[in-house]
Amino acid sequence: KQEVTQIPAALSVPEGENLVLNCSFTDSAIYNLQWFRQDPGKGLTSLLLIQSSQREQTSGRLNASLDKSSGRSTLYIAASQPGDSATYLCAVRAGANSKLTFGKGITLSVRP
Amino acid sequence: GAGVSQSPSNKVTEKGKDVELRCDPISGHTALYWYRQSLGQGLEFLIYFQGNSAPDKSGLPSDRFSAERTGGSVSTLTIQRTQQEDSAVYLCASSLDGRVEQYFGPGTRLTVT
Repeated sequence: KQEVTQIPAALSVPEGENLVLNCSFTDSAIYNLQWFRQDPGKGLTSLLLIQSSQREQTSGRLNASLDKSSGRSTLYIAASQPGDSATYLCAVRAGANSKLTFGKGITLSVRP
Repeated sequence: GAGVSQSPSNKVTEKGKDVELRCDPISGHTALYWYRQSLGQGLEFLIYFQGNSAPDKSGLPSDRFSAERTGGSVSTLTIQRTQQEDSAVYLCASSLDGRVEQYFGPGTRLTVT
């Protein structure tokens, strides 16, 4: 059974800092991995999707990497801003036409 | 363009009552998913519809839960004889097909009193 772990559960950083959010998964046979952002009381916003054949994806100040063999992904946020404060979740898909398995998320607070 | 919409946004119901939650996926998306998010449990998969194929119901926690998708578009999640442990945010997502990015709706917060 696939398990996705995100540690730590919460993180507080000063504005402007570059930071890395970690995600690990137990079964390396994944189809793709997706990073989401969730604001309090809201749904999930997709940030980046990495296919199993890819090593990384970039969107603006965000960069996600994938090391499938070691069961790890990282989300790099450059020059963090208070507006980046949210919960960040990673999720893996075992195969095409299958569900996402989620980590419990990392709640990020960026202090002005 | 319009995203995934869900209704109601909030639902308070008494234990033992039945509830129906609705999801309108993005137009043209053939795949539709239901998840549940509760405190301490994270996001749990409930059910997945893909086109005209039989749905993947492997995540439904009990036979009190059921879902249907009519005409390959709108989906309804029904919970019968609600229990307090059913209190959670129910999220719906859709994707163009079963392989690509999933887009989530805002969720329905269900409170069972």
